[in-house]
Amino acid sequence: GAGVSQSPSNKVTEKGKDVELRCDPISGHTALYWYRQSLGQGLEFLIYFQGNSAPDKSGLPSDRFSAERTGGSVSTLTIQRTQQEDSAVYLCASSLKTGGGEQYFGPGTRLTVT
Amino acid sequence: AQTVTQSQPEMSVQEAETVTLSCTYDTSESDYYLFWYKQPPSRQMILVIRQEAYKQQNATENRFSVNFQKAAKSFSLKISDSQLGDAAMYFCAYRRVMYSGGGADGLTFGKGTHLIIQP
Repeated sequence: GAGVSQSPSNKVTEKGKDVELRCDPISGHTALYWYRQSLGQGLEFLIYFQGNSAPDKSGLPSDRFSAERTGGSVSTLTIQRTQQEDSAVYLCASSLKTGGGEQYFGPGTRLTVT
Repeated sequence: AQTVTQSQPEMSVQEAETVTLSCTYDTSESDYYLFWYKQPPSRQMILVIRQEAYKQQNATENRFSVNFQKAAKSFSLKISDSQLGDAAMYFCAYRRVMYSGGGADGLTFGKGTHLIIQP
């Protein structure tokens, strides 16, 4: 079956603009995660959704970052007023359940803020 | 907070040889999971092997095995008979066990080890 997909694969934006990154999890997976991978900070956990419950946003680096998940499936990560330090690869993962369920990762979106 | 440390930024090994990647972690939890992920240049994170902390037996997946030392909080990955396709970044990751009503379930990653395979 299809894996986790993310779009766009690459995004270049000007400082100050808003961007939206999309994640399509594996069908039937109830848990969805966003991570950020940057040279300086490594891999950081950002946010987690479980089904239709309210997400845990404690990992989001600032209030410019927000995420939503519609219908318990597709998720969008939005970064408002982008800054150069937002440049990174944004990875999405999904899992069948929480706890020990394996997380399956998408190919990521490389965001470059100029 | 949990931390994961990979002390080897880069490792090199001859094809067909064995290499061990180091990982240590810090946690106050007694139940947790440990993982090794592989990330080739395609950026796709691939799970290599998983270990449940309550299991004393070390996990094994074909040429990949771990040495899990819970008291020492050490979780190394051994790759036997290294192949060119093993070349990638390897990340050690930690995840606490989630119980009903628990909080965030994200992975905590180490900084990674770049593995080079010499033909």
